[in-house]
Amino acid sequence: DVVLTQTPLSLSVTPGQPASISCKSTESLLHSAGGTVLHWYRQKPGQSPQLLIYEVSSRFSGVPDRFSGSGSGTHFTLNISRVEADDTGVYYCMQGLRMPRTFGPGTKVEIK
Amino acid sequence: EVQLVESGGGLVQPGGSLRLSCAVSGDTFRDLWMTWIRQAPGKGLEWVAQISPGGISTDYMDSVKGRFTATRDNAKNSLFLQMDSMRGDDTAVYYCARDVSWGRYDSWGQGAPVTVSS
Repeated sequence: DVVLTQTPLSLSVTPGQPASISCKSTESLLHSAGGTVLHWYRQKPGQSPQLLIYEVSSRFSGVPDRFSGSGSGTHFTLNISRVEADDTGVYYCMQGLRMPRTFGPGTKVEIK
Repeated sequence: EVQLVESGGGLVQPGGSLRLSCAVSGDTFRDLWMTWIRQAPGKGLEWVAQISPGGISTDYMDSVKGRFTATRDNAKNSLFLQMDSMRGDDTAVYYCARDVSWGRYDSWGQGAPVTVSS
């Protein structure tokens, strides 16, 4: 199975400051058609997960442009340019290239 | 806006069975892969199973193969997960999710809690 590793596993950020989460895969997530199948989800406390970023860098509908994704191959990053109180939650990367689909362990983001 | 509503969760004894349902609103249900994802208490997300738009093709995580079966009824916009021979490590909240493309889950249900315990 493809293993995704996230760092850090927890993050405490002051509002207005940037935040960054790394996701590394044990194999390339580049699809033969040219896209890279790495997505980011956020789960707010007590809620279902929600899609933030798909295919490395595309923001899902309604996601603020404070959120951006980057990377290629096996190394990916989720950036939040200016953290807000509502950004609290657990952030997961997920690969959709290989079966079984796998998630990273999650990064818990706390707002100071 | 698409809505997914799970039902059927509850308490089941080890070795028992449970059937989860997921009702999906909207007219694109029959065109998309659907997925089940679970989350054990205090743990992360774990992909469980998926089913093709026509219901012919399914995929499962290794630990549920032969015990769980995903089906769907496109006429009723419904997704199902039949869980048999259940074990303690199946205890989790089970989410159904709509797969737009290659694991891009754009809509999720609220989750159905399942507890396997005697």
